[in-house]
Amino acid sequence: AQSVTQLGSHVSVSEGALVLLRCNYSSSVPPYLFWYVQYPNQGLQLLLKYTSAATLVKGINGFEAEFKKSETSFHLTKPSAHMSDAAEYFCAVSSGGYQKVTFGTGTKLQVIP
Amino acid sequence: EPEVTQTPSHQVTQMGQEVILRCVPISNHLYFYWYRQILGQKVEFLVSFYNNEISEKSEIFDDQFSVERPDGSNFTLKIRSTKLEDSAMYFCASTGTSDYEQYFGPGTRLTVT
Repeated sequence: AQSVTQLGSHVSVSEGALVLLRCNYSSSVPPYLFWYVQYPNQGLQLLLKYTSAATLVKGINGFEAEFKKSETSFHLTKPSAHMSDAAEYFCAVSSGGYQKVTFGTGTKLQVIP
Repeated sequence: EPEVTQTPSHQVTQMGQEVILRCVPISNHLYFYWYRQILGQKVEFLVSFYNNEISEKSEIFDDQFSVERPDGSNFTLKIRSTKLEDSAMYFCASTGTSDYEQYFGPGTRLTVT
């Protein structure tokens, strides 16, 4: 069984401030972890993924995430928020290969000018 | 860059009617998936499909749902008799054999009235 918990359904940051979106996972096998972004009325775009290689994963648009097995966490960060980062972010887990992806409930990021 | 496409982008139907949602996965992909997202909720797995048969399905995917790959390019989701609670965004995804990443289509918004 696998699951994802995203802490904070809404996060507000000032433009230029650090973005930190929290994700904790549960998996009975070594997990594959993902962050997706969804802009209003659009589909899901992959930001980054962890597939058992380097624990610090860099993605698109300046985002990165660190896999911490001891904390079962995969938090998403970006050093400096842009207005264009305002969207909903979903953390997700898979048991690997071609298995289904289980999504968290999402975090809506608001960027304040 | 190859992408998953879905048609139609928006489908409105009356309760009890049959609907078919269409997807064209990335051409060399072999694994296909349907997910849905009820408005304001998280993305939920419905079904995965490989080698012309269902690999896994969720409890949501009951007898009212079916999937088919009618030809070498399309992948369809059929809902036999729609209910109000089937109103959601339906996402198709596909995976190749190299990176285990699920590529999502833009979604079809289904509205059941």
